[in-house]
Amino acid sequence: DADVTQTPRNRITKTGKRIMLECSQTKGHDRMYWYRQDPGLGLRLIYYSFDVKDINKGEISDGYSVSRQAQAKFSLSLESAIPNQTALYFCATSDSGQSSGNTIYFGEGSWLTVV
Amino acid sequence: QKEVEQDPGPLSVPEGAIVSLNCTYSNSAFQYFMWYRQYSRKGPELLMYTYSSGNKEDGRFTAQVDKSSKYISLFIRDSQPSDSATYLCAMEAAGNKLTFGGGTRVLVKP
Repeated sequence: DADVTQTPRNRITKTGKRIMLECSQTKGHDRMYWYRQDPGLGLRLIYYSFDVKDINKGEISDGYSVSRQAQAKFSLSLESAIPNQTALYFCATSDSGQSSGNTIYFGEGSWLTVV
Repeated sequence: QKEVEQDPGPLSVPEGAIVSLNCTYSNSAFQYFMWYRQYSRKGPELLMYTYSSGNKEDGRFTAQVDKSSKYISLFIRDSQPSDSATYLCAMEAAGNKLTFGGGTRVLVKP
C-alpha cells in the first residue's frame, strides 16, 4: 500500500461545483502539503500544515481551502470549481525531525478536470 | 525571474549515454538541494539530496552543488530507457519550504 494515499485519483466536475480531494498518510510525518502541477509551471504550493493546529497559505491558495482533520489526514477543497483549476494535484508529507532537509514524499496524484 | 530555473527539455539521448541535468537559482539562502524523478502520471519520488556544496554519488547518479555559482547538476551514467522521466530539482532554505524547478523531461532511446 502507498504511504501517501489520495482519493479520488481522477475526477471530472462541472464549473461551480464543490469538490474535495482527500489525503491520508501512514508515514507518521507531522507536515503535510497540497501542490498543484501544470505543464511548464512545475509544482506550486497551495497550502501546507506543519501540525494538526497549523494551516498556512502557499503561493496559489486563492479558490482553495484545506482541513487537517488529524495528523494523518489533510483534505483540499475547491468551493466553486472553475476550468483553470484543471490540473494534477499532489498531496505530500515530510518529517520535521529529519536531518536531510525538508525532504518531501508525494502521493500518486489526483487528476481533476473542471468542465 | 523564477527563483529556480530549469530547462524543460525534452532531452533525448541514446541508451548508455551520460545524461546531464542542471538548475540555477537566485536565493543564496538555499542549503538543501534535491533531485526528484517523476514518471508519467505518477508522483515525484526523491532521487538524491545534498546539503551545501559538493558532490554526492549513488550508483549511476551523481549530484553536484556549486553554491558560489548558484548551480546544481545531476548526472546519470550508463542511461537506460527506464531513466526516461521528468527530473525536478528542489531547494530549501533551512526550516523553510521546498522550491521546485519546472522539471526537465528526459528520453533515453534504446
